[in-house]
Amino acid sequence: DAMVIQNPRYQVTQFGKPVTLSCSQTLNHNVMYWYQQKSSQAPKLLFHYYDKDFNNEADTPDNFQSRRPNTSFCFLDIRSPGLGDAAMYLCATSRDGVTGEQYFGPGTRLTVT
Amino acid sequence: DAKTTQPNSMESNEEEPVHLPCNHSTISGTDYIHWYRQLPSQGPEYVIHGLTSNVNNRMASLAIAEDRKSSTLILHRATLRDAAVYYCILRDVGSGNTGKLIFGQGTTLQVKP
Repeated sequence: DAMVIQNPRYQVTQFGKPVTLSCSQTLNHNVMYWYQQKSSQAPKLLFHYYDKDFNNEADTPDNFQSRRPNTSFCFLDIRSPGLGDAAMYLCATSRDGVTGEQYFGPGTRLTVT
Repeated sequence: DAKTTQPNSMESNEEEPVHLPCNHSTISGTDYIHWYRQLPSQGPEYVIHGLTSNVNNRMASLAIAEDRKSSTLILHRATLRDAAVYYCILRDVGSGNTGKLIFGQGTTLQVKP
C-alpha cells in the first residue's frame, strides 16, 4: 500500500514558469519534509512542517515555498524555476520530528527547459 | 552538525556478508546513528538506527563502537536488490533540535552475481 505519494512522478516546466509539486500521505504523520536531490548528490532538506508549523532551512532559496493545507497533503511551489532547479524532489514524513524514522515517497523529477 | 565519513564505494558478491563502515569521530551524546539506503530511481528508505548498543532488525545489523566514534552496517547476506547508496547519518535529538536528517555522500554498494 502506498504510504507517501508524490504526483506527478515527472514534471517538465519552462524557465520562469511557476510549478507546484504535490505530496500526500496515508500514515497520519505529524511531520512532512521536502528534500531536493540533484544528479549524483545526496538529498538536501529544503524545509519541513511539524503539524502546521513551518520550518525553513537557512539556505533554502526564497524561490521555494511550501503549503500544508491539512495533515495529509503538502505542496512545494517553485515560483520562478531556473535551470539550476532541475532535480529530484523528495517528500518524506515522520510520526515525530525527533526520533522517528522518515518515510520517503518515490520523488518527482523536475526538468526545466 | 556532526559529520560522518564513509567510503565512496564498495563491492560485494551475492550471498556474502557486507560490512559498511562509518566514522563519526565528533559524535555527541545526543546523536543517534541512522542508516538509510537509496535504491536506483527511488526515494531513500530507513534501514536501522541505534544509540549505544548494537541493533538488529530484519534488514540489517548495526554494530556501534564502544566509544561511538564509528559504526558498521552489516548486511548478512547481500542480494542483487541490496545494490544502493547507503547513508550513515547522525541525528541530533538534543533539546531544541528537530532531529533532521543531513545526508552525506554515502557509500555506493555494488553487488556482483
